[in-house]
Amino acid sequence: GAVVSQHPSWVICKSGTSVKIECRSLDFQATTMFWYRQFPKQSLMLMATSNEGSKATYEQGVEKDKFLINHASLTLSTLTVTSAHPEDSSFYICSAAPASGGTDTQYFGPGTRLTVL
Amino acid sequence: GENVEQHPSTLSVQEGDSAVIKCTYSDSASNYFPWYKQELGKGPQLIIDIRSNVGEKKDQRIAVTLNKTAKHFSLHITETQPEDSAVYFCAAKGRNYGQNFVFGPGTRLSVLP
Repeated sequence: GAVVSQHPSWVICKSGTSVKIECRSLDFQATTMFWYRQFPKQSLMLMATSNEGSKATYEQGVEKDKFLINHASLTLSTLTVTSAHPEDSSFYICSAAPASGGTDTQYFGPGTRLTVL
Repeated sequence: GENVEQHPSTLSVQEGDSAVIKCTYSDSASNYFPWYKQELGKGPQLIIDIRSNVGEKKDQRIAVTLNKTAKHFSLHITETQPEDSAVYFCAAKGRNYGQNFVFGPGTRLSVLP
């Protein structure tokens, strides 16, 4: 149990285009989902926290108009990278906290590698 | 805010030996400390965690110890196997609602056969 999926697993796009990444909790409901960004050989950096049905909370320095987050249901959150540029190339990872367990318990997705040409 | 340091950044051990990774945190209010294993190209996987009301926790070959006074916690892997090779991240989280994980920079563990 407690499986989180991400789609796509990797994506290559041209500069200036937008890319949507989906994060799904497959066998549990997630009140809260988190989006992280990880550069090569670096740690995870939290980008934003999203709660179902409300606006996401962005970390300092993360542009909310560039990284659009939607948490429309208890099992799905999406991250849209708008007008992507090469510096947006990174590994994007989501995590989901079960509705019943607070936010200490987070299950991570397998990640999405974005390459912007 | 919370700051988590992790050492060493890389660690090589012979198969069957033990590996120890240490993390320190700055916020004495942090009360939850998970450890994650990340294999190449994959998301992090929780391997063990400890809360501030416990000093030690063990799960088969993996153990975590916590020293609240010194604000450090350590991951111990015994009888290492090649499949333990991965990047390990520690994290700390405060008890207040809305506080999120702060991750350490990671340790790349290589278990040599």
